[in-house]
Parts: sequence; structure tokens; C-alpha cells
Amino acid sequence: SAVISQKPSRDICQRGTSLTIQCQVDSQVTMMFWYRQQPGQSLTLIATANQGSEATYESGFVIDKFPISRPNLTFSTLTVSNMSPEDSSIYLCSVGGTSGGHEQYFGPGTRLTVT
Amino acid sequence: AQSVTQPDIHITVSEGASLELRCNYSYGATPYLFWYVQSPGQGLQLLLKYFSGDTLVQGIKGFEAEFKRSQSSFNLRKPSVHWSDAAEYFCAVGGYNKLIFGAGTRLAVHP
Repeated sequence: SAVISQKPSRDICQRGTSLTIQCQVDSQVTMMFWYRQQPGQSLTLIATANQGSEATYESGFVIDKFPISRPNLTFSTLTVSNMSPEDSSIYLCSVGGTSGGHEQYFGPGTRLTVT
Repeated sequence: AQSVTQPDIHITVSEGASLELRCNYSYGATPYLFWYVQSPGQGLQLLLKYFSGDTLVQGIKGFEAEFKRSQSSFNLRKPSVHWSDAAEYFCAVGGYNKLIFGAGTRLAVHP
């Protein structure tokens, strides 16, 4: 499975500011995903990011709030814009497996606290 | 609608006891099913997966799961729990590279 790293691992930000989270994979992957895990909750898919195309957002998530870049096959960024305390969550990136079985492998997550 | 239900929010077991975590799913097609574990402060680790074939699948760390189509279930089991198994466990169903997660079951292990 791919080795996935995320930066930063955690951050404390003030409301109204933006934070960009980086996701780096040690091999080329077609599909990358961004999830949000609110405190004590399960994971919710924010968007799917394919290289060379616009990210596809899930219902309830918009590009203006969560812009995503996917400049190449090993890297993606998620920006959380104009943050409010409700954005305090763990943000995880994942990549699709290569066996064709639709499994995903996850990074360690970025723990964001908005004050 | 596609969904995953994990009926047990919290489970406590004694070290050495057996474990079964329940998972029920609703999915319109043949599902791809997964169990993930999340230790405190960590990302998600894939324990096992089911795509087709033998309905009893073996995973890492001594875990297994059984797919029962008639019951729309994919329960996770371990014959003897270790203290290091204390974590949050998520069942997920997927297709076309989209995963839907259950709410999770938090496992506590008593010494």
C-alpha cells in the first residue's frame, strides 16, 4: 500500500483565516480523496481529486470553502477557507488502492482547531 | 439509499475475551466491504476487505469478518482481544471509489 504523509499534523487557527493542508504520496495514484472527521464522528467525504481535472465535491461541500489542487499524481492540497469554529475537525486524505477493489489508504490526518 | 449501520457505539471487553463488532449495510449493487481501525491520534488502517468469493475473510492483527448477504451484514470478529486492540473501528461500503462509513464502534479493553 502507498505511504501517505500530511502537513501540518495539527494546527490552531483563528476564525476568518485559511489553512492549506498538504497530502503527499510515495507513488503515483490516479484518485485522491479528502475527508472530514468532526469530533467524535465518522468520516465524511469532501471531494475526489483527479489529476488534470476539477475536483468533484460531495453534497454540502463547495469549492469556495474547500478549494482543492491536484498538480500531479503524487500531491494534493485542501484549503479550508474563512474558517469558523465549526470547521474544527480532523482532515484526512486518502488514495485509491491498486488492486481494483476500491479500497482506500489513509494519511495520518490533520487536526484543525479554530478559535 | 446507501448506508452503513454500526449498532454498537461503545463496547468493552476483557483482555483475552472474544470480540464481535456488528455492521449492517444497505447498498444497491454487490458491495465492496471494508473494516478500518483508528487508534487515538492516528489515521485509518485497513484491517480487511471483501470483494467476492469466500465469505469469511482474514485480515491483519488476527481479525476476520464474515459476509452474510441474506442479512446484509459484515461482522468483524477476533477470538482473543489484546489491550492494544483498544481503538475505534469503522465499517465501510464502497463502489466506484467512493466509501461510505458507519458511525464507528469504540472498543475498550479491560485488563
